[in-house]
Amino acid sequence: DIQMTQSPSSLSASVGDRVTITCRASQGIRNDLGWYQQKPGKAPKRLIYAASSLQSGVPSRFSGSGSGTEFTLTISSLQPEDFATYYCLQHNSYPPTFGRGTKVEIK
Amino acid sequence: EVQLVESGGGLVKPGGSLRLSCAASGFTFSNAWMTWVRQAPGKGLEWVGRIKSKIDGGTTDYAAPVKGRFSISRDDSKTTLYLQMNSLKTEDTAVYYCTTDAVHLNDYWGQGTLVTVSS
Repeated sequence: DIQMTQSPSSLSASVGDRVTITCRASQGIRNDLGWYQQKPGKAPKRLIYAASSLQSGVPSRFSGSGSGTEFTLTISSLQPEDFATYYCLQHNSYPPTFGRGTKVEIK
Repeated sequence: EVQLVESGGGLVKPGGSLRLSCAASGFTFSNAWMTWVRQAPGKGLEWVGRIKSKIDGGTTDYAAPVKGRFSISRDDSKTTLYLQMNSLKTEDTAVYYCTTDAVHLNDYWGQGTLVTVSS
């Protein structure tokens, strides 16, 4: 199985900060990666698909980059509604595997 | 409006069985590959399994921890996805979500249904 190493596991940031979360795949996955946001008690919601494409309706402050084994989710200016847990998911190789999550908390 | 509504969760004893349903509406269900994802209490997301659309073969794939115990099926006439869970273990305790597969441009999720396996 492909392992997705996500970092950091948590971070504290202030409104307006630029935030970067990274996922590293144990082998190349082309751009078959999505980024998900999950708020407590809610279902996940995909923000980014194909590593860098913004899901319809998602604010443009979210962006994704990377290909192969290194991927990044960036929030350009953190907003109050962005405090949540973020996961990456690779679907290049079965079984699809999630990163362990990054909890973004208020500083 | 797109809706995915899971049902069938509850409390079951170890070794027992449960069938989850996911009723879909608002999109062309028959064309969609559908996936089950679960989340144990306080833990991260775990992919459980997937079923392709019938036009793409209707085949299924499963994660290793559930292979041989869980079975995914679909009834396109009822636009409903199913997860049959047998030989349940305490470690299967989780919220189970149905969702469109990651290969699709559209991303739809249900609200989740809680399965508790406990004696």
